[in-house]
Amino acid sequence: NAGVTQTPKFQVLKTGQSMTLQCAQDMNHEYMSWYRQDPGMGLRLIHYSVGAGITDQGEVPNGYNVSRSTTEDFPLRLLSAAPSQTSVYFCASSPDRVAGYTFGSGTRLTVV
Amino acid sequence: DQQVKQNSPSLSVQEGRISILNCDYTNSMFDYFLWYKKYPAEGPTFLISISSIKDKNEDGRFTVFLNKSAKHLSLHIVPSQPGDSAVYFCAARTTQTGANNLFFGTGTRLTVIP
Repeated sequence: NAGVTQTPKFQVLKTGQSMTLQCAQDMNHEYMSWYRQDPGMGLRLIHYSVGAGITDQGEVPNGYNVSRSTTEDFPLRLLSAAPSQTSVYFCASSPDRVAGYTFGSGTRLTVV
Repeated sequence: DQQVKQNSPSLSVQEGRISILNCDYTNSMFDYFLWYKKYPAEGPTFLISISSIKDKNEDGRFTVFLNKSAKHLSLHIVPSQPGDSAVYFCAARTTQTGANNLFFGTGTRLTVIP
């Protein structure tokens, strides 16, 4: 049972480039979320999904897109990378709204 | 504006003693609270949670206390073990709306000294 798998683990982008961070879970969880962790800021919610075909914005959605075509996958797209998007990104999933989230191991992104 | 605050960035405790990690929140709509533990280069791991209808929840060595009037919760670890050394995040949410935001504090780094 792999849990939540994030790829890649590390990525360096140039300003203006686009890329997709991948997230997949094999627990049949309905709820999935993307967070970013910055020093002194804790984890902040970017986007979330409560099921296939349903997504919504979190605290810091600007510059990011998501889609949820299947229960398993929840990719995060950076449209035009900026240095302010340098961060560690975590994907998480949960079976319902009150259960604890299961987090992936993170993607460390640097935008130069 | 940080709605969940952990004012102690770090805490050191001797092995076998009690560790107390504190968390304050400002949003009175929050009714569900969680603690996560995070090791370096790993994602946060869910530890324990508490609903606002309770004031205490216990799971083995871990106990979470909630004081709603003070908007304060704490995590007690007894006895502390070296393997507990990690960053601990407090998180809070409201279950009363359709939103799925989980708000995190900035974390407290716990070091348990053997």
